[in-house]
Amino acid sequence: EPEVTQTPSHQVTQMGQEVILRCVPISNHLYFYWYRQILGQKVEFLVSFYNNEISEKSEIFDDQFSVERPDGSNFTLKIRSTKLEDSAMYFCATREWVNTEAFFGQGTRLTVV
Amino acid sequence: SQQGEEDPQALSIQEGENATMNCSYKTSINNLQWYRQNSGRGLVHLILIRSNEREKHSGRLRVTLDTSKKSSSLLITASRAADTASYFCATDNDYKLSFGAGTTVTVRA
Repeated sequence: EPEVTQTPSHQVTQMGQEVILRCVPISNHLYFYWYRQILGQKVEFLVSFYNNEISEKSEIFDDQFSVERPDGSNFTLKIRSTKLEDSAMYFCATREWVNTEAFFGQGTRLTVV
Repeated sequence: SQQGEEDPQALSIQEGENATMNCSYKTSINNLQWYRQNSGRGLVHLILIRSNEREKHSGRLRVTLDTSKKSSSLLITASRAADTASYFCATDNDYKLSFGAGTTVTVRA
C-alpha cells in the first residue's frame, strides 16, 4: 500500500537553530499538508500546498515557517530560529484531490532544547 | 471555527461492548472524516461521509451525519483490545481538514 514517508523520525535541536523536516508524498497526490500535534493535544493545521504554492495557512504558520517542494518529490517544512514551544510531532499529509481521504506520515518528533 | 469537537474526551469500555463518540462542528462542510491514532503515531483514515449522506458503514464502524445539527457520530461495534486508540473527527472544507481534540478510547480485555 502506498505511504507517506517522513524523515527524520526524531530530531533534537538547540533553540535558535533551523530545522528541515522532510516528507515524500504518495506519487499521484496533488495536495500536501503539514500539521503539528503538541503532546496530548489536538492536531493543528499549519499549511496546505497545491500546484507549488501555499493554498492556505494557519495563524501558527508565521514567518518562522516555510514550505517548498524543491525537487518535485520531497515536500519540506523549514522552521527557522526554533523555540522551545515548537517542540511537537509534525505530520505530513497528502491526498489525491480535495474532499478525499488524507494519508498521514508517521511524523517527526521535534524536540527543541 | 469549522473544526470538529469530539465528545466524550475519554471512553473506557469492556471488550465486546460498543463504543460511541460524537463530533460537533460549527460551519458548513463538504464532508466529514474520522481518523484513528495509535499512541503518538500517524493518523489513519477510517471513513469519509459526504454532506449529502446520512449514514455510512465500514466493517465494524458506523458513522452518521446530521448536517442540520452539525453533528456526527462514530460507532465501533464489538470492540477489541486493538481498538484502543484516539479517534478524531475532521471537517473538510476550503481545501483543508480541521481536527478536533479527539476521543481516547480504552478497550479493557
